[in-house]
Amino acid sequence: KNQVEQSPQSLIILEGKNCTLQCNYTVSPFSNLRWYKQDTGRGPVSLTIMTFSENTKSNGRYTATLDADTKQSSLHITASQLSDSASYICVVSAGRGSTLGRLYFGRGTQLTVWP
Amino acid sequence: KAGVTQTPRYLIKTRGQQVTLSCSPISGHRSVSWYQQTPGQGLQFLFEYFSETQRNKGNFPGRFSGRQFSNSRSEMNVSTLELGDSALYLCASSPTGGDNTEAFFGQGTRLTVV
Repeated sequence: KNQVEQSPQSLIILEGKNCTLQCNYTVSPFSNLRWYKQDTGRGPVSLTIMTFSENTKSNGRYTATLDADTKQSSLHITASQLSDSASYICVVSAGRGSTLGRLYFGRGTQLTVWP
Repeated sequence: KAGVTQTPRYLIKTRGQQVTLSCSPISGHRSVSWYQQTPGQGLQFLFEYFSETQRNKGNFPGRFSGRQFSNSRSEMNVSTLELGDSALYLCASSPTGGDNTEAFFGQGTRLTVV
């Protein structure tokens, strides 16, 4: 069964600290893995997209890693800011040449950054 | 370039009614997909349209339907509303919806069924 599991469910950190969010997936065949940030009441915004051959990708203070062998990904946030408070969703796309219709979503990690 | 626009932003309906939600994709994007987001289930895929044709469909009952117009704008319809249909409905657009393409989400329509 194609599944995407994220941990932890929620996380509270102090402003300026780093954190790492985890994503494990069983989606097959694998095409790419995406991380999205979703602010409360807003639509998700893409942070990174990684294909099978990529094992790290950065977007500012966000760095995603991918281990296709163990089917794990992580999102590392450096020097957190209050604006990082949001839900972070891991999304895996199935199959080569797939369309947006074959996206599998994790339930997200709710990150709260305290001053 | 304008982003993905969804209307209305908020909607309250009673059980048994029907509702139509609208999504205007980014100019030039031909793929539009719809998702339902609830606290219990997270994001779930409803269907995807490309060039006015439904290309993929998720596991939702037939009460959920959609269509896409020649200008790529899309509508989603839910008939005979149930309390469990209360959710945030999101649409996403992409140039082709193909592999590795970016998906841009709208702000969503918050539907409350009472």
